[in-house]
Amino acid sequence: NAGVMQNPRHLVRRRGQEARLRCSPMKGHSHVYWYRQLPEEGLKFMVYLQKENIIDESGMPKERFSAEFPKEGPSILRIQQVVRGDSAAYFCASSPGQQQETQYFGPGTRLLVL
Amino acid sequence: QQPVQSPQAVILREGEDAVINCSSSKALYSVHWYRQKHGEAPVFLMILLKGGEQKGHEKISASFNEKKQQSSLYLTASQLSYSGTYFCGTSPGAGSYQLTFGKGTKLSVIP
Repeated sequence: NAGVMQNPRHLVRRRGQEARLRCSPMKGHSHVYWYRQLPEEGLKFMVYLQKENIIDESGMPKERFSAEFPKEGPSILRIQQVVRGDSAAYFCASSPGQQQETQYFGPGTRLLVL
Repeated sequence: QQPVQSPQAVILREGEDAVINCSSSKALYSVHWYRQKHGEAPVFLMILLKGGEQKGHEKISASFNEKKQQSSLYLTASQLSYSGTYFCGTSPGAGSYQLTFGKGTKLSVIP
């Protein structure tokens, strides 16, 4: 049973470019969460999505960041006009439902902005 | 508010025991423990719910003191494979899904 999959694992972008991070949840999971992790820091919640719906995006910067989870295909975290401060590891987690269910994490995408 | 983990780092010899604490200034409903090795995904260890029992998993167990808003992770007879950074994630309510993570405790087990 495949776990949460993320790609790419590493992404290098120059300032001003766009970054697209993909997440495929575990089979049978319909809830996706995105977290950001800076070096030596804990994971910080960004957004929670269900199929075709954004449930909570309170942790996501208001500008340049967007997320979607279409009916078909992976969840996408999109960062437009990246800046050096966007460099971090971005983790996706999934769960079958909500409310205290375990969140299973993917291997992350490490974004480096030059 | 981010939970506070202590200690920040600990070095153990194989076979020794360790306790990692996670404290919150807010009332907690659940505490989730994860272990992350460098460059890898956080791996789920266990979840403790308000009113629930102490959990155990092989030689790793945890407790949840609701009154003190604190959880402790106990590692006994540590193995080299226990090395990594341990994170606690907390949620304040039964309907909450958003986890707030501490900064982590780096555990190094040496031969």
